[in-house]
Amino acid sequence: DTGVSQNPRHKITKRGQNVTFRCDPISEHNRLYWYRQTLGQGPEFLTYFQNEAQLEKSRLLSDRFSAERPKGSFSTLEIQRTEQGDSAMYLCASSFGTGTVLTGELFFGEGSRLTVL
Amino acid sequence: QQPVQSPQAVILREGEDAVINCSSSKALYSVHWYRQKHGEAPVFLMILLKGGEQKGHDKISASFNEKKQQSSLYLTASQLSYSGTYFCGTADPTNAGNMLTFGGGTRLMVKP
Repeated sequence: DTGVSQNPRHKITKRGQNVTFRCDPISEHNRLYWYRQTLGQGPEFLTYFQNEAQLEKSRLLSDRFSAERPKGSFSTLEIQRTEQGDSAMYLCASSFGTGTVLTGELFFGEGSRLTVL
Repeated sequence: QQPVQSPQAVILREGEDAVINCSSSKALYSVHWYRQKHGEAPVFLMILLKGGEQKGHDKISASFNEKKQQSSLYLTASQLSYSGTYFCGTADPTNAGNMLTFGGGTRLMVKP
């Protein structure tokens, strides 16, 4: 399968614990996005990478959240000191683009569902 | 600020038509449409770039009025497989046009 892969698919954790999610994008895609989706809502932008550079980060993103994309390949999203409000589906998407405007489709992974008890 | 979609939900019988609207308060570079089925990832439908173009494939088409900062998705002769939640995503100059801000979604249910 050459689609976007996310792991783990499900994570249940206790409040205060740290969690890390991994995203493997489509291999030739240089852009990688993280979104968060709660039930009944649209995906909410978290952060965006072009190759290994993190170019955009949502102002809503707490400093408990950090993302990396070493070497411009896979990416990790870490949430420290989780809170119940962090419970959501975390979606990763990738695309290929060279211009300044997004003109290509985003390919989404199936997401990592986080439940914080 | 996210784009506003209307209606929030619609129920159709097979073969009926539907229109889903997406409205933004910002000038837009592009509008993207995705469909998400329950428990699955969003799947791309189409992109509309500024220029007022209308695109479509099969019985799903869309238009983009950049002056009004609005887009509409048209589903004609709906099929059971059209059921799902439809999201518009917009790219605008405030985010360098490189990421999408999604609306709250429109839930579509097609019944036999």
